[in-house]
Amino acid sequence: GEDVEQSLFLSVREGDSSVINCTYTDSSSTYLYWYKQEPGAGLQLLTYIFSNMDMKQDQRLTVLLNKKDKHLSLRIADTQTGDSAIYFCAESPSGGYQKVTFGIGTKLQVIP
Amino acid sequence: GAVVSQHPSRVICKSGTSVKIECRSLDFQATTMFWYRQFPKQSLMLMATSNEGSKATYEQGVEKDKFLINHASLTLSTLTVTSAHPEDSSFYICSAPDSYGYTFGSGTRLTVV
Repeated sequence: GEDVEQSLFLSVREGDSSVINCTYTDSSSTYLYWYKQEPGAGLQLLTYIFSNMDMKQDQRLTVLLNKKDKHLSLRIADTQTGDSAIYFCAESPSGGYQKVTFGIGTKLQVIP
Repeated sequence: GAVVSQHPSRVICKSGTSVKIECRSLDFQATTMFWYRQFPKQSLMLMATSNEGSKATYEQGVEKDKFLINHASLTLSTLTVTSAHPEDSSFYICSAPDSYGYTFGSGTRLTVV
């Protein structure tokens, strides 16, 4: 079945860049997502990328996709304390009405 | 953007009672709603998929008689945890597909005592 793996924890200093990595197994993954979850809250879509793209940049966020290695990364530039949260990588074969498989989530701790 | 309103955000109930969780799509029609469960320090696990006007599809291992899902309209889906037990304590989140992917509700923290 589909599997999405992420490291559990990342600690960075405020102002530095954060890079959260994710690997997935489903070669039919078409949509890849990054979600942010703050304590006790639901998930907030940060960004997404289609499998035919290598990179997507949105303000401080940069997503890199290596489809050959099935590797996805999220880079947060100039990390702020408000970025402290859990970040979930997720994939879906076709988006929309298909099942989404989530990684376990990476807890990002930003040190002032 | 699309918003899914989920209520209640927190609920504490006694063992053996039932709890209903509602998810409403506020500015779009959600013909499909996904229901997830999240245990502490774990990822989201899909429980079931509801479609407006039809029976929900449950993932393997999820008791459909315990977790009743109703999707009676294009803007409302409900999950009822029947005869709740302490092991049902968890964080439940709904999600509906939208133009960009999926919009999530804010989640419901259920504690069964």
